[in-house]
This record gives sequence, structure tokens and C-alpha cells, in this order.
Amino acid sequence: DTAVSQTPKYLVTQMGNDKSIKCEQNLGHDTMYWYKQDSKKFLKIMFSYNNKELIINETVPNRFSPKSPDKAHLNLHINSLELGDSAVYFCASSPLRVSTDTQYFGPGTRLTVL
Amino acid sequence: QQQVKQSPQSLIVQKGGISIINCAYENTAFDYFPWYQQFPGKGPALLIAIRPDVSEKKEGRFTISFNKSAKQFSLHIMDSQPGDSATYFCAATQLGAGSYQLTFGKGTKLSVIP
Repeated sequence: DTAVSQTPKYLVTQMGNDKSIKCEQNLGHDTMYWYKQDSKKFLKIMFSYNNKELIINETVPNRFSPKSPDKAHLNLHINSLELGDSAVYFCASSPLRVSTDTQYFGPGTRLTVL
Repeated sequence: QQQVKQSPQSLIVQKGGISIINCAYENTAFDYFPWYQQFPGKGPALLIAIRPDVSEKKEGRFTISFNKSAKQFSLHIMDSQPGDSATYFCAATQLGAGSYQLTFGKGTKLSVIP
């Protein structure tokens, strides 16, 4: 009965490779997000999708491309990986934002670029 | 500016003591202020949240104090326990149509020692 799941949990790869991280939520939420957490634990939003439409696209390199095939999935594809991409990436989802904005985070994917 | 400043960066408290983490924001349009708790190797999880129409909200040992005029809010953990050892993030957002961005503080690593 996992709410927000991500695969893989760990990803080790070489510079220059292309990789994808998958995210799925079974909460019926309309909005999904990708966050990057660096080595200092700083959480920074990368993308937000609402009903499969891109809402937020922070200043991330265009090597990062989110793809939302349906409301329950938001995948992150990264081209030409660089050393600085090493971080933990979190997917999150939230319901309709009326009086609250509880975001439910996945367990994270630790990406290591060698 | 969409910034939330959090202090201290790290905090060590004796078991049974009070842990206090402070945050300040700049954007007066923010109207929802959650705190997230993150254990090592896990995603952040909502702990407690407050709207600016109240000055305090308490849930068990956790209390948020909110000062609208000073644009500050803080988390108090009473009777701190070793199981509270985690990283705590304050956040702020503007609810309502068109805004899906939760701005996080940089986090406070709390260690509760027996």
C-alpha cells in the first residue's frame, strides 16, 4: 500500500550516460513534483505537474526532462549526466490545494555520477 | 523574494529538553506554513502546519508559533526524545490557483542525546 514509490532507490552511473527515474503515486492526487536534495540536505523543487501539465519548471538544465504519461506517474529523464547531478531526487504528490498543501514524498533515489 | 530562512543549521538537545527551530520569510503572500520531518534515508513527511490566522498550533509535543507582523514562525518540540532526532524543514507557500511551489528552508539537523 505504498503511497509514493520511486525506482530505482540507488543509481550509480558514469558521466555522459542517460538515465531515468520513475515515480508513481496511488493516492489519486492531481499534482506531482520532483525535488533535488544536495549533500547539504537543501531541498529544491525542480518540476511540478498538475493533471499532466507542467506548472513549475525551475532553472534546471534542459538535460533534465520530466514526462507524465498519466496523473499517477511522473518520470524524470536525465541526459548527459554530470558529476554535479549527484544528489538524492525525491518525487512527491499533493491533492487539490484549497486549505492545505500536504506533499507526500517518495523514499528518494540516490544518484551517484562517477 | 521567494525565500525562507531557517536557523539553526544544527541543534543538540538533551532528552527531555525543548528544541526550538526558527524560520523567517519575506513574501507576505505566503499563507500556509508547514514543517516537515526527515529521517535518514527517508523522504520528508509533514509534521505540523499553520495558517496565518492563528498565532499558535499544538499537536502533541509539537507546537508552531507564528508571528505575522515579524514574518517569523518557529517549531517547538517539548520533552524532546532521541526518536525526534531528524532533519526538520520549515516551508511556506501561497495556496490558491496557479501556485504550486512549496519553498523550503535549508533544514535543521536535530540530535537529541540521552
